[in-house]
Amino acid sequence: DTAVSQTPKYLVTQMGNDKSIKCEQNLGHDTMYWYKQDSKKFLKIMFSYNNKELIINETVPNRFSPKSPDKAHLNLHINSLELGDSAVYFCASSQDAKVGNSPLHFGNGTRLTVT
Amino acid sequence: AQSVTQPDIHITVSEGASLELRCNYSYGATPYLFWYVQSPGQGLQLLLKYFSGDTLVQGIKGFEAEFKRSQSSFNLRKPSVHWSDAAEYFCAVLAPPGGATNKLIFGTGTLLAVQP
Repeated sequence: DTAVSQTPKYLVTQMGNDKSIKCEQNLGHDTMYWYKQDSKKFLKIMFSYNNKELIINETVPNRFSPKSPDKAHLNLHINSLELGDSAVYFCASSQDAKVGNSPLHFGNGTRLTVT
Repeated sequence: AQSVTQPDIHITVSEGASLELRCNYSYGATPYLFWYVQSPGQGLQLLLKYFSGDTLVQGIKGFEAEFKRSQSSFNLRKPSVHWSDAAEYFCAVLAPPGGATNKLIFGTGTLLAVQP
């Protein structure tokens, strides 16, 4: 009954490959997010979707493409992986886009290692 | 631009001792402030938040935090630390507060180790 679940938990791949990370939430939330945590534990938002609509798109290389087939799912596809993409990627959700109203619920993260 | 600074990268305390984790923010107006905890291999969990009103806020797991506008600080405290509190703690500010869409700006975290 995990609230926000991400797969896979670990992902090791070579430079130049394309990979996807999947995220699903069973909380009935309208808004989902992708955050990137680098090797120094710095967390930065990448994208946010509200009811399948992209509402936050930070300065992220266009090799990263989020896709939200429905409001319970937000997947992250990464093309042409680079060494610098190695990080832990966290999916999160909130009741709505006003984070002040409802807290973020985080998944357990996907550790991506690019060799 | 909004920012959050956590001056202490790593803190070690003895079990049963008191704890204070520092957080300073940079924001022109009254901020919305949060503390999150990340246990190893886990996602982040909200400990407490401050929007307005009483400057001392209570959270889960016996944590509290005090908002001090004059010092631009939102320090996290716990009177008696338990071994299970060992984790990474993140302070965050909401930018912009109360907006239709907004995002959390996180600090770089403080890693707490608890000695027996």
